[in-house]
Amino acid sequence: GESVGLHLPTLSVQEGDNSIINCAYSNSASDYFIWYKQESGKGPQFIIDIRSNMDKRQGQRVTVLLNKTVKHLSLQIAATQPGDSAVYFCAENISGYSTLTFGKGTMLLVSP
Amino acid sequence: DADVTQTPRNRITKTGKRIMLECSQTKGHDRMYWYRQDPGLGLQLIYYSFDVKDINKGEISDGYSVSRQAQAKFSLSLESAIPNQTALYFCATSDSQGITGANVLTFGAGSRLTVL
Repeated sequence: GESVGLHLPTLSVQEGDNSIINCAYSNSASDYFIWYKQESGKGPQFIIDIRSNMDKRQGQRVTVLLNKTVKHLSLQIAATQPGDSAVYFCAENISGYSTLTFGKGTMLLVSP
Repeated sequence: DADVTQTPRNRITKTGKRIMLECSQTKGHDRMYWYRQDPGLGLQLIYYSFDVKDINKGEISDGYSVSRQAQAKFSLSLESAIPNQTALYFCATSDSQGITGANVLTFGAGSRLTVL
């Protein structure tokens, strides 16, 4: 697969554990935050987004938490599965009319 | 078929050669983007286009050019490739119509370019 994970922070977990991936963002004017998952050899895929007027949003097995005070975003994955192994990126967006700024990514490795 | 198709998927070329990476989409989105990905550096925006007549430079446009031939097609060119342009390139699309939320991108599978 593509070596997009070189030099990335890595989180290693056991199958069935909960995973927490963190992201610090830079622009206090950002209004939307998005998480993407990139599997080896593929392009990033949208997971979930959250608007700045929320502090929590839940999806299927995933929860995103937003702390605007410290400009921190986290993605929680419940009951992590081997298929969750990938690089996860956060991105910030000032509005729907602007481009995204991506973080550097975190590699999640899930052991059976 | 994929919503966003990139060709070629892999290309090896020599310094000084002209290279074109092509992107086509079937999502009907008006916005298209080209990103570059290097290990450990995340995704960097090269160029973007909000409609057929609109082309904008991103954060790393030097050494690259683009053409928006139609709403569904957006190509990236390297006029004279150099080794530090070796990277993974992604095309992406998004839809401005009815946007009330985030600018969610749909990515292609990527084009791996190696410049020797």
